[in-house]
Amino acid sequence: QSALTQPASVSGSPGQSITISCTGTSSDVGGYNYVSWYQQHPGKAPKLMIYDVTNRPSGVSNRFSGSKSGNTASLTISGLQAEDEADYYCSSYTTSNTLVFGGGTKLTVL
Amino acid sequence: QVQLQESGPGLVKPSQTLSLTCTVSGGSISSGGYYWSWIRQHPGKGLEWIGYIYDSGSTYYNPSLKSRVTISIDTSKNQFSLKLSSVTAADTAMYYCARDLCGGGCFDYWGQGTLVTVSS
Repeated sequence: QSALTQPASVSGSPGQSITISCTGTSSDVGGYNYVSWYQQHPGKAPKLMIYDVTNRPSGVSNRFSGSKSGNTASLTISGLQAEDEADYYCSSYTTSNTLVFGGGTKLTVL
Repeated sequence: QVQLQESGPGLVKPSQTLSLTCTVSGGSISSGGYYWSWIRQHPGKGLEWIGYIYDSGSTYYNPSLKSRVTISIDTSKNQFSLKLSSVTAADTAMYYCARDLCGGGCFDYWGQGTLVTVSS
C-alpha cells in the first residue's frame, strides 16, 4: 500500500486560513469515510484532530475542520495561531482492513 | 482518563526480535469496541501503521510487515504487545501504541512512544 500524498509544507500568517490536502485512491480515501487528521508537535505523540472525515473530538478547537471530495481529503485551519505550527498527518482506512498514513505536512505560521 | 504506556528494550540486535508491551490504565482493554494499535515513526520521518488487534483477538497487519509482526493481547494484565522478528537497522524508530476507536484509524489515545534502536 502506498502512502497518501500530502504537500511537504504549507504556511500562513496568524489569522489566516490554510488547507492541507491528502490524496489517495478509490481503495482508501475515496472508498471510505474513515479519514483522520493528526497534529504532531516536535517530540510529542500525535493528537487526533479530525476523524471520520469531518468529526472533531471533544476538546479540539472548531477552527479545525475536515472535508472530502473524491479521492482527496482536506484539513482546513481557520484563524491560524502560532500554536498551530506543527506537522500534520492524514490517515485512511483501506481495503483488506488496513490503514495508511500520509507523508506529513509541516505547517509554518509566519 | 485512559492512558497508554509503552515498555521494552531500547536497543535490539540485528536479526533478533523486538518486543514491546503497552499497558493501558484508566479503562479496561476488554471493554469492547476498540482496536489496540501499534504505529512507528522513523527518525525525522512520517507515521507508519504496523497493525492492530481487536478485543476479540482478531489481528490486522500492514502488508509490508505482516510476515514479521505479531500483536497479542493479555486482558488479565490490561496489556497488548508487539513482536517484530528479524529486525534490521531499518526498524530503528519511535514506536507508539494507540487506541483506535473506530477501526478506521481514529487513534484517540496514544502512548508517549518508545525509541527502539537496532544495532549490534
